[in-house]
Amino acid sequence: SQQGEEDPQALSIQEGENATMNCSYKTSINNLQWYRQNSGRGLVHQILIRSNEREKHSGRLRVTLDTSKKSSSLLITASRAADTASYFCATDLINAGNNRKLIWGLGTSLAVNP
Amino acid sequence: SAVISQKPSRDICQRGTSLTIQCQVDSQVTMMFWYRQQPGQSLTLIATANQGSEATYESGFVIDKFPISRPNLTFSTLTVSNMSPEDSSIYLCSVGWLAAGYNEQFFGPGTRLTVL
Repeated sequence: SQQGEEDPQALSIQEGENATMNCSYKTSINNLQWYRQNSGRGLVHQILIRSNEREKHSGRLRVTLDTSKKSSSLLITASRAADTASYFCATDLINAGNNRKLIWGLGTSLAVNP
Repeated sequence: SAVISQKPSRDICQRGTSLTIQCQVDSQVTMMFWYRQQPGQSLTLIATANQGSEATYESGFVIDKFPISRPNLTFSTLTVSNMSPEDSSIYLCSVGWLAAGYNEQFFGPGTRLTVL
């Protein structure tokens, strides 16, 4: 299986704290993306990092990528109750030709308590 | 970006029947994907439905069970055939572009299917 893995599977924190989620993958990638899913809804793209990038910021989100370790981390700073959701990493494989698809991680369920 | 709608949003069906899920996009897209997601689980890709070609199914999924239509660049359907309780799941469609060389996907709200 080429499925990525996230840890932790579940994370519970207090508002204002930082949340860190990790993702590992197995093959060479073109880019790695993080998505958010509110309960029972569709996924929403959060941030993308290319294979030649090491760190990227978007608002309160910070993503890092270590291609030597085949891993990525997503940091949400100063968390809010509205950040409560599941977060999935997805890898876009290199040299996938015309049949491009994303390989999805197992997800981290984040609960931010008021 | 794209706005994607799915119909129905949810349904409860009897064993042995079939359900067709519609996915409508507000703009023309090349790549369209159908996923299944069990409660609390990750996404499993069923098939890729690119306009102008037959759908490409992932291992474990077959056309007889999950026939897909892609008549144009803004619409697709997924049928779940001869349903069993194991087919109870959320079904998601998504669209993607290869803009700037990367595959970012936009998702519909999902169809929650319960099979009795």
